Amino acid sequence: GQQLNQSPQSMFIQEGEDVSMNCTSSSIFNTWLWYKQDPGEGPVLLIALYKAGELTSNGRLTAQFGITRKDSFLNISASIPSDVGIYFCAGSYPDTGANSKLTFGKGITLSVRP
Amino acid sequence: KAGVTQTPRYLIKTRGQQVTLSCSPISGHRSVSWYQQTPGQGLQFLFEYFSETQRNKGNFPGRFSGRQFSNSRSEMNVSTLELGDSALYLCASSNQGDTEAFFGQGTRLTVV
Repeated sequence: GQQLNQSPQSMFIQEGEDVSMNCTSSSIFNTWLWYKQDPGEGPVLLIALYKAGELTSNGRLTAQFGITRKDSFLNISASIPSDVGIYFCAGSYPDTGANSKLTFGKGITLSVRP
Repeated sequence: KAGVTQTPRYLIKTRGQQVTLSCSPISGHRSVSWYQQTPGQGLQFLFEYFSETQRNKGNFPGRFSGRQFSNSRSEMNVSTLELGDSALYLCASSNQGDTEAFFGQGTRLTVV
């Protein structure tokens, strides 16, 4: 089945630093989504991307839909302590209807040192 | 607009029992998906309902089932609970199922 690869599993950065996370797949997707999950809570949608090459920002977050449609990255600039959490990428298949569903990466746990 | 609501938030059950979890999607959303989240396996897709019909199913045993009502509210049921069913169960709603999905806070199920 479809798989999304996120690595490394954990990242440790200093407050104020920028951080970039990648998500890759062996198959193409037509939608890429980035989520953040705090402990004990459900994932919260950060950014949605719908077109190859698309670059979208949401405050200090910027995400891009790779031109090959097989990858996406999320960049967080000037990190702050509340950026701590698990970041998931998700993608959906080109087919719609019966085959439409999201596939999630395993997530990257981000720690921010004050 | 109210978000996705899952009830209950926490649940403790004994092995062999059954459990029903509830999810109320965002108003107007017709697709409800369920996921199981555990530390070792991450987010695993259980099933998706769209307009009261199961449209997609993940790779879980038949003990896991669900349904969707005409108002788009959904329930999932797990019968004959096993210790390994302990997890955070998340529900997500969206317009079509393959676009922006919004999650509830989840139900933390502990099987003892």
